[in-house]
Amino acid sequence: EAGVTQSPTHLIKTRGQQATLRCSPISGHTSVYWYQQALGLGLQFLLWYDEGEERNRGNFPPRFSGRQFPNYSSELNVNALELEDSALYLCASSSESGWNTEAFFGQGTRLTVV
Amino acid sequence: QKEVEQNSGPLSVPEGAIASLNCTYSDRGSQSFFWYRQYSGKSPELIMFIYSNGDKEDGRFTAQLNKASQYVSLLIRDSQPSDSATYLCAPTTGNYGQNFVFGPGTRLSVLP
Repeated sequence: EAGVTQSPTHLIKTRGQQATLRCSPISGHTSVYWYQQALGLGLQFLLWYDEGEERNRGNFPPRFSGRQFPNYSSELNVNALELEDSALYLCASSSESGWNTEAFFGQGTRLTVV
Repeated sequence: QKEVEQNSGPLSVPEGAIASLNCTYSDRGSQSFFWYRQYSGKSPELIMFIYSNGDKEDGRFTAQLNKASQYVSLLIRDSQPSDSATYLCAPTTGNYGQNFVFGPGTRLSVLP
């Protein structure tokens, strides 16, 4: 069974541009989570989607946005890129919104803003 | 107040010793508590989770939960150099169910 897949693996953008990151959850998983991990720092919660709806949002500016498609895949968009947006962006998925459901992580997209 | 707090470390223990990793959380509505391990440059992977007060053992790992004190810990017995990683605590919060908000992580170094 395929795990959580993210694309692209690496992405280099110029300040002010837009970046689009993609995530395919494990088959059957309906929840998708996005996290930002800057170098040497912890996981910062960005967004949580479930059944196509945004369930929660972390403390990030509106230029960070996303969506979840009918097939439960998800897209993270970052507009007006800033140098400090350079980080590893991790996507995770889980099978249902129950209290004891594990989240599985993808390998991440390394975004570099120059 | 931060939602989830962990000592950033690094926590250094000799090989074969017990490593104790602690986590406190602010949301009393948290029901389940997940421990993930993250090796440098890799994605987090689940070690175990706990949702009842008390201890839960899985191999060399024991999770301990005290909801009254809003405290959860992870003990690693017979620590090995391969256990050297960052350990992330994630209480699940929110009215809907799962909302994984991770702590900053504790970096563990097991010295041979």
